[in-house]
Amino acid sequence: GDSVTQMEGPVTLSEEAFLTINCTYTATGYPSLFWYVQYPGEGLQLLLKATKADDKGSNKGFEATYRKETTSFHLEKGSVQVSDSAVYFCALASGAGSYQLTFGKGTKLSVIP
Amino acid sequence: NAGVTQTPKFQVLKTGQSMTLQCAQDMNHEYMSWYRQDPGMGLRLIHYSVGAGITDQGEVPNGYNVSRSTTEDFPLRLLSAAPSQTSVYFCASSEPGQGSYEQYFGPGTRLTVT
Repeated sequence: GDSVTQMEGPVTLSEEAFLTINCTYTATGYPSLFWYVQYPGEGLQLLLKATKADDKGSNKGFEATYRKETTSFHLEKGSVQVSDSAVYFCALASGAGSYQLTFGKGTKLSVIP
Repeated sequence: NAGVTQTPKFQVLKTGQSMTLQCAQDMNHEYMSWYRQDPGMGLRLIHYSVGAGITDQGEVPNGYNVSRSTTEDFPLRLLSAAPSQTSVYFCASSEPGQGSYEQYFGPGTRLTVT
């Protein structure tokens, strides 16, 4: 079955540091890939997405590139802010009539001033 | 547009009690789903629905019932609460016709079973 593996946290960074959160996946077919973010006490919000190989999703300074050859979708940001402190989830949807999302376990990011 | 709404935000139950978690969406989405979030486990799918009158089980359906009588509403019922059901519950909706399978989440219900 489908699965998503993301680096375990927690991750603590200083403000303006570079962020990478690794995500790899196993899926049949050609999945769509997502990063969701959960701020403290809130639900999940879509951060970015990519629907086919070599697509780059970007939003709020975050980027991730759909790499089919390495089955990866790593999240990056060049300079994190305190306001980026949250839990980040990598997820996939297999498509082809399957509307279910498969999530990774989440990575908690804390950014300190 | 309110998006996806959930009630209540917090609930404490005693073992054996029953309750219904409410979920509603105003985006006319066909697909709705329920997840539970537990520490270190990510989100796990409980039940989902691809349209009014159609529901199916997800990864962890035991102890939960659902029904979908309208497009807007997708309640989750706990028939006899157990401490293992202590969790945060999220409802989500999406419109498969848009092709990207993006899901929109509600704010969650934090349930404690004592």
